[in-house]
Amino acid sequence: DVQVVESGGGLVKPGGSLRLSCEVSELSFSRFSMNWVRQAPGKGLEWVSSISGSGSHIDYADSVKGRFTISRDNAKNSLFLEMNSLTAGDTAIYYCAGGHSNYDLVFDYWGQGTLVSVSS
Amino acid sequence: EIVMTQSPATLSVSPGGRATLSCRASQSVSSSLAWYQQKPGQAPRLLIYVASNRATGVPARFSGSGSGTEFTLTISSLQSEDFAVYYCQQYYNWPLTFGGGTKVQIK
Repeated sequence: DVQVVESGGGLVKPGGSLRLSCEVSELSFSRFSMNWVRQAPGKGLEWVSSISGSGSHIDYADSVKGRFTISRDNAKNSLFLEMNSLTAGDTAIYYCAGGHSNYDLVFDYWGQGTLVSVSS
Repeated sequence: EIVMTQSPATLSVSPGGRATLSCRASQSVSSSLAWYQQKPGQAPRLLIYVASNRATGVPARFSGSGSGTEFTLTISSLQSEDFAVYYCQQYYNWPLTFGGGTKVQIK
């Protein structure tokens, strides 16, 4: 089974920054797209950002565009999310999700999530 | 943006019963539709992709159908471990979008 472990969440003040990390045990990590999906407390799932296996294609939800930056280090099987200008609306559990082997944008494996709380 | 609408919001079913969950897209997504299951305190789990393909390890009692704008997830004989929230997701177009979820609870 693929293991996915997120880290980097925590409490941050409005306007602050945070960097999330995700480590994946998958040996062919560089072949698969990776994604961030978030879930506000008691709410549904919201896609945040996706990056292709090579890193050449990146997309963001409008709600985070210009504030969040997704990146990956294939040599270290790692995914990152740099989050700036955080607001209370960004409070959520952030999940790292790996793409399906044949369908990039289907979220095949997930981490347990890392909680980001934005509050003064 | 393609809006995904799930119904009902809550579904009460007896163990062993049949559950039928609906997902509607605001425009055609062809068969680019996935279903996920989420239990309290856990990450989502992929159940179905390409509208009707079961993911690895998913029991045969889960089935998906539909194309275009109308999709259905059917759980043929509910087991105790199936009581959870279910989300549909379209991956036909950016931005990727999820439905609001259907909670399947014990009747």
